Amino acid sequence: DIQLTQSPSFLSASVGDRVTITCRPSQGINNYLAWYQQKPGKAPKLLMFSGSTFQSGVPSRFSGSGSGTEFTLTISSLQPEDSASYYCQQFNSYPLIFGGGTKVEIK
Amino acid sequence: EVQLVESGGGLVQPGGSLRLSCAASGFAFSRYSMNWVRQAPGKGLVWISYISGGSSNTHYADSVKGRFTISRDNAKGSLYLQMNSLRDEDTAVYFCARGYSGNYSPVDYWGQGTLVTVSS
Repeated sequence: DIQLTQSPSFLSASVGDRVTITCRPSQGINNYLAWYQQKPGKAPKLLMFSGSTFQSGVPSRFSGSGSGTEFTLTISSLQPEDSASYYCQQFNSYPLIFGGGTKVEIK
Repeated sequence: EVQLVESGGGLVQPGGSLRLSCAASGFAFSRYSMNWVRQAPGKGLVWISYISGGSSNTHYADSVKGRFTISRDNAKGSLYLQMNSLRDEDTAVYFCARGYSGNYSPVDYWGQGTLVTVSS
């Protein structure tokens, strides 16, 4: 099975900061990677997948990049409403796997 | 508007069974694959099962294989998860989630989740 190593598991940053979350698959996944945002007590929300495809309504400060065995989610200017947990997920093969998650806190 | 509403969660003893349901509306249900994803209290997301639109393909996480069965009724717009031989570690919020497109895709819509507690 493919494993996803997501880092960091927690980060604390200030409003306006640039924030980067990394996801490293244990093997190639043909860019079949998605990013989700989850706020406490809520269902996750799909942000983007396959590197750069944005879902409707996702602010432009969110961007994704990467290939092979390293992918990143970047928030260019952190906003208070971005306080949440973020997960990567590979959908190249079954079982689908989520990364361990990154909790983003606003200082 | 796409809506997914789970039901059927509750408290069950170890070794017991439970059947979760997910009522879908706002889209052509039979054209989309569906998934179950769970989240233990304070923990991360764990995918547990997939079913294709026509039910011809199913997949399971190793942790539930042989104990859980995913199914769907396209006429009713409903997804199910039959959970048998439940264990303490199955305690979680269970989300149903729609596959975006095709057999290999992210999930684009999620229900609000239903809590399953396995405890004696």
